[in-house]
Amino acid sequence: DIQMTQSPSTLSAFVGDRVTITCRASQSISGWLAWYQQKPGKAPKSLIYKSSNLESGVPSRFSGSGSGTEFTLTISSLQPDDFATYYCQQYSRYSITFGRGTKLEIK
Amino acid sequence: EVQLVESGGGLVQPGGSLRLSCAASGFTFSTYWMHWVRQDAGKGLVWVSRIDSDGSGTVYADSVKGRFTISRDNAKNTLYLQMNSLRAEDTAVYFCTREKYDISGATRSFDYWGPGTLVTVSS
Repeated sequence: DIQMTQSPSTLSAFVGDRVTITCRASQSISGWLAWYQQKPGKAPKSLIYKSSNLESGVPSRFSGSGSGTEFTLTISSLQPDDFATYYCQQYSRYSITFGRGTKLEIK
Repeated sequence: EVQLVESGGGLVQPGGSLRLSCAASGFTFSTYWMHWVRQDAGKGLVWVSRIDSDGSGTVYADSVKGRFTISRDNAKNTLYLQMNSLRAEDTAVYFCTREKYDISGATRSFDYWGPGTLVTVSS
């Protein structure tokens, strides 16, 4: 199975900060990488698909980039509603794996 | 509005069985691949199984292969997960989720998720 290594596991930041979360795949996944936001007790919410495509309705302060084995999720100016846990996800033909998550906390 | 609503979770003893259902509405269910994803308490997301649009193709995570069966009834717009020989490590919230398509085809991601149903395996 393809392993997804997400970093950092926890990130503390201020409202208004620019933050970046990284996800590395154990082998190339081309651009088949998605990002999700999850709040406690809720289902994940899709943010980004195919590495850099913004899901409909997601604010433009969210952006994704990368290909091959290294990918990033950037939030350009943190808002109070953005404090949550973020997961990356890859989907190869017979295997789907998620990163272990990055918990974004208010500093 | 797209909606996915899981049901069927509960407390079951080790070795027992449970069938989860996911009622879909607001989209043409029969044209989408569907998945089950689970999440242990306080932990990350783990993909469980996938079924293609007409039910003819299924794939499972190694951890559930041979014990779980995914199926669907397109006439009832419902996805199922039959779980047998349950173990303590199967305890989790189970989400059903829809695979996203855009104008270029499959995106290999999930665009809609249900709220989840809790399965607890314990004696």
